[in-house]
Amino acid sequence: DIQMTQSPSTLSASVGDRVIITCRASHSISGWLAWYQQKPGKAPKLLIFDASNLESGVPSRFSGSGSGAYFTLTISSLQPDDVATYYCQHYDTYPFTFGPGTKVDI
Amino acid sequence: QLLESGGGSVQPGGSLKLSCAASDFTFSAYAMSWVRQVPGRGLEWVSSIRGSGATTYSADSVKGRFTISRDNSKNTLFLQMNNLRVQDTAVYFCAKSVGASDAYDLWGQGTMVTVSS
Repeated sequence: DIQMTQSPSTLSASVGDRVIITCRASHSISGWLAWYQQKPGKAPKLLIFDASNLESGVPSRFSGSGSGAYFTLTISSLQPDDVATYYCQHYDTYPFTFGPGTKVDI
Repeated sequence: QLLESGGGSVQPGGSLKLSCAASDFTFSAYAMSWVRQVPGRGLEWVSSIRGSGATTYSADSVKGRFTISRDNSKNTLFLQMNNLRVQDTAVYFCAKSVGASDAYDLWGQGTMVTVSS
């Protein structure tokens, strides 16, 4: 099975800061990676799919990059509404595992 | 949208069947999945099924106990859960795949399953 790790596990930043979250896979997953945002008590929300494609309706301050086994999610200018936990997930081969999450606060 | 139902409390060894009613998209065209989350913890992929229903996949932790299925005539996804364990306690979400990609672009609100004696 492919294992996913994320760093950092938590981060605190100021409004307007550039925030970068990293996700690593134990094996190459090409570009088969998604990023989700989850707020307390809510279902996850898709932000990025296929490593770098912005989901419709998601603000352009979110961007994804990477391929192979190393990926990043960047928030170019952190906003109060971005306080949430962020998860990466691969979908290269089953099981489609999630990373442990990165909690972002301000 | 996706609307789950069927959650509740059950004793270890018991069974539950979750349902996920889909609307506003061509249900049979998309793979569907179940993802669970222990409150306060991370997300765990549970099981997936292709649009036709012919192919299914399940996590090792539920293999042989949980069965994913779908009724495309009723736009409904199911998860039959047997021999439930305390560690199956979680919120269960159904999710729709993007289509060309297996990322999940639509999620239900979740239904809580509690396994306790």
